Amino acid sequence: NAGVMQNPRHLVRRRGQEARLRCSPMKGHSHVYWYRQLPEEGLKFMVYLQKENIIDESGMPKERFSAEFPKEGPSILRIQQVVRGDSAAYFCASSPTRDRGRSPLHFGNGTRLTVT
Amino acid sequence: SQQGEEDPQALSIQEGENATMNCSYKTSINNLQWYRQNSGRGLVHLILIRSNEREKHSGRLRVTLDTSKKSSSLLITASRAADTASYFCARIPQPLFGNEKLTFGTGTRLTIIP
Repeated sequence: NAGVMQNPRHLVRRRGQEARLRCSPMKGHSHVYWYRQLPEEGLKFMVYLQKENIIDESGMPKERFSAEFPKEGPSILRIQQVVRGDSAAYFCASSPTRDRGRSPLHFGNGTRLTVT
Repeated sequence: SQQGEEDPQALSIQEGENATMNCSYKTSINNLQWYRQNSGRGLVHLILIRSNEREKHSGRLRVTLDTSKKSSSLLITASRAADTASYFCARIPQPLFGNEKLTFGTGTRLTIIP
């Protein structure tokens, strides 16, 4: 049973370009979270999605960032017009349920975005 | 703003010794979870402890929760080199429904010296 798959593992973009990060949740999981991690720091929540719905986007910057989780295919985190401050590791996590009292999150190995 | 802190920020011990990490938080929780992160990898879930539980064990791991002090501790007994990693606590606040995002602390970097 494959775990959470994120690709690419490493992504280099020049300032002003777009970055697209993909996350395929574990089989049977319909709940996806995106987190951002700066070096030597903890994870900061960005967005929580269920298939075709954004449940909580309170951690997403108001501009340039968007996320989707279509009925078919992976979840996508899109960053438009990247800036150096966007350089970070972006982690996706999935769960089979919404119930955080019972079901822990399963994390992928992250995408490390470097903006030059 | 951060909902809590782990301490110490970094811990180095000899292989075979016990390692204790602490986590404090500010608001009422439904449950608290501990995760491990190896360098360059994603987080791996270790233990979930609910607000009505005081202690939980899993192999060499022991987690305690004191809701009156709003704190938790993770004890790793008989440490091994493979335990070298960062350890994070994550909180789910009350009420549970509508608060489904885990809030992570800044972590404790544990180094086991062979």
